[in-house]
Formats: sequence, structure tokens, C-alpha cells
Amino acid sequence: NAGVMQNPRHLVRRRGQEARLRCSPMKGHSHVYWYRQLPEEGLKFMVYLQKENIIDESGMPKERFSAEFPKEGPSILRIQQVVRGDSAAYFCASTITGNTGELFFGEGSRLTVL
Amino acid sequence: QQQVKQSPQSLIVQKGGISIINCAYENTAFDYFPWYQQFPGKGPALLIAIRPDVSEKKEGRFTISFNKSAKQFSLHIMDSQPGDSATYFCAARNTNAGKSTFGDGTTLTVKP
Repeated sequence: NAGVMQNPRHLVRRRGQEARLRCSPMKGHSHVYWYRQLPEEGLKFMVYLQKENIIDESGMPKERFSAEFPKEGPSILRIQQVVRGDSAAYFCASTITGNTGELFFGEGSRLTVL
Repeated sequence: QQQVKQSPQSLIVQKGGISIINCAYENTAFDYFPWYQQFPGKGPALLIAIRPDVSEKKEGRFTISFNKSAKQFSLHIMDSQPGDSATYFCAARNTNAGKSTFGDGTTLTVKP
């Protein structure tokens, strides 16, 4: 499967715990985007990364959320001290370059905070 | 400030009918306008896209109409089928800036 791979697909955390979501882009893609989708809502941009660089984090909450895309390995979206409002589907997308049009999405990671 | 406004929020169409979903944008720097289709439990997948140098693009039963002066674009699904029942998102992107901005989605139900 050469598509965008996200794991875990489902994650349950209690309030105050940490959530780590991983995304492996399509082969040959070096640009990764994270989006959040709340129930019955659209996709909200969070962060855009290239290898070892954060290009645009204008959609990331200022506290508790961080993202990285290391030289080796998957991109990680980290949510510290989760709250119920963090419950959502988190989608990762990748592109070959930053100025190509199509985003290739993964199947998402669904976070539930108890 | 919502940069891409999508309507309607939900749409019910009879099999064989035409489904029309509309979007409006504000940022004139956008230069790529895709539509994504999402089935429950899945990630969005590109359906069809258009650039502002053309006014219409057709792929099979799916057509995008684009009005640059009005800053509007729409998706038309001809001969709608029950298998088209999904959530549809319009998006707009400034390919020099990277990120895509999405509309809030339209849930389409095609009744047999």
C-alpha cells in the first residue's frame, strides 16, 4: 500500500493524558499537512511541515499541540494533557512538493477523550 | 473569517437527478479549486479540480463550473446514483502558500 498511512486509527485517552498520532506520507512525498475534523464539521487546517521544518503552523492551538516531521520516520502530531474538546478525527495529507495541487489523505486517526 | 463558504449543508436527491453544490471564496490569491469526496470512516479523496484559467471542467458525471469574477465555483453531479451518497468538500489553495482551505462540507444523500 503506497498511500498515506496513519496510526493509530482509533485512540482512546483519559483527560490529562498525551496523544501521539503518526503519519507516513506517500512514497516520494516530502510535504505533510495535518487537518482536524470535528463531528459534523469540515476540515480545519492545523499545520504544514516539510522534512525537519515547520512551514505554517497558523492553525495549531498555541498550547498543548505540537508537530514534527523528522528527517527519518513519520510525522508526529502530539497533544499533551488532552481535554474532551480534543476528541476529533485527525487527518494527515501529503504532496510531492509544496506547490502541487492535490492532497493525498490518509484514513485518519480518531481520538476519543474520556 | 471563513475563506471558503459552502452550501447547502445537506442535500437529498433522487436517483438520476442532478446534485449541485456551491462554494464561494474570498482570497483572490487562490489558484487551485478541488472537490473532495469523503465516505464515512474514510479520508477525503480528490474527485475533480479546476484552475481559474478555465470556466468549466468535466470528468464523467462530475462537472465543475467556475466564475472567477463572482469568486464562486460549483460541483454538478449528473445522473446521481446512491453510490454517490457521501460528504463533499470544496477547497481552495494558493499553491505558493501551501495549505488548502476547506468548506464545511455537504452531505449528499441519493435516494434510490
